[in-house]
Amino acid sequence: DVKVTQSSRYLVKRTGEKVFLECVQDMDHENMFWYRQDPGLGLRLIYFSYDVKMKEKGDIPEGYSVSREKKERFSLILESASTNQTSMYLCASSGQGRGYTFGSGTRLTVV
Amino acid sequence: QQQVKQSPQSLIVQKGGISIINCAYENTAFDYFPWYQQFPGKGPALLIAIRPDVSEKKEGRFTISFNKSAKQFSLHIMDSQPGDSATYFCAASMRGSQGNLIFGKGTKLSVKP
Repeated sequence: DVKVTQSSRYLVKRTGEKVFLECVQDMDHENMFWYRQDPGLGLRLIYFSYDVKMKEKGDIPEGYSVSREKKERFSLILESASTNQTSMYLCASSGQGRGYTFGSGTRLTVV
Repeated sequence: QQQVKQSPQSLIVQKGGISIINCAYENTAFDYFPWYQQFPGKGPALLIAIRPDVSEKKEGRFTISFNKSAKQFSLHIMDSQPGDSATYFCAASMRGSQGNLIFGKGTKLSVKP
């Protein structure tokens, strides 16, 4: 089974902190994605990457950046966390088959 | 044109009943239509998917019906069970988009015993 592992299930950070969310996949997938999920808003795409060192903005990139130095790892960075970034963050990967495999999510609370 | 519109937002069904969730799209270039199931505290998981060359795909109690001319597709859950209570997302993608899925906003299904 493809596994997408997100490093933390729950995180509590202070306003203004720099926050790193890590995601690792073990199936050599080319494509990786970061979403945030909020009640009533569904899944909103933040950033995605088709290859190492490549990144593309999604629908809501403001306040976020990403890093993909290795194929299996895709990191989401909140440069200066704010309370409106409190959310569930989901990482996903996909290969040639076009289906996504999601991680279990990181519930981030910014206080 | 890139949107996938999903309805209803929430659904309550009695055990043993049929759950039906609908999605509509505009972009005729979409050629892959998956459904994802998400339990509380978990990430979404691929449930079933269809391509537009077939009108129906069935896997156990789950069926996707696809209407190409109406640009609509739906998920039917037969003999719904309390364990089916989850949030369901439809999605669509097109060839050449490097697999980027466009998701509906989700339907929260509750199956009452």
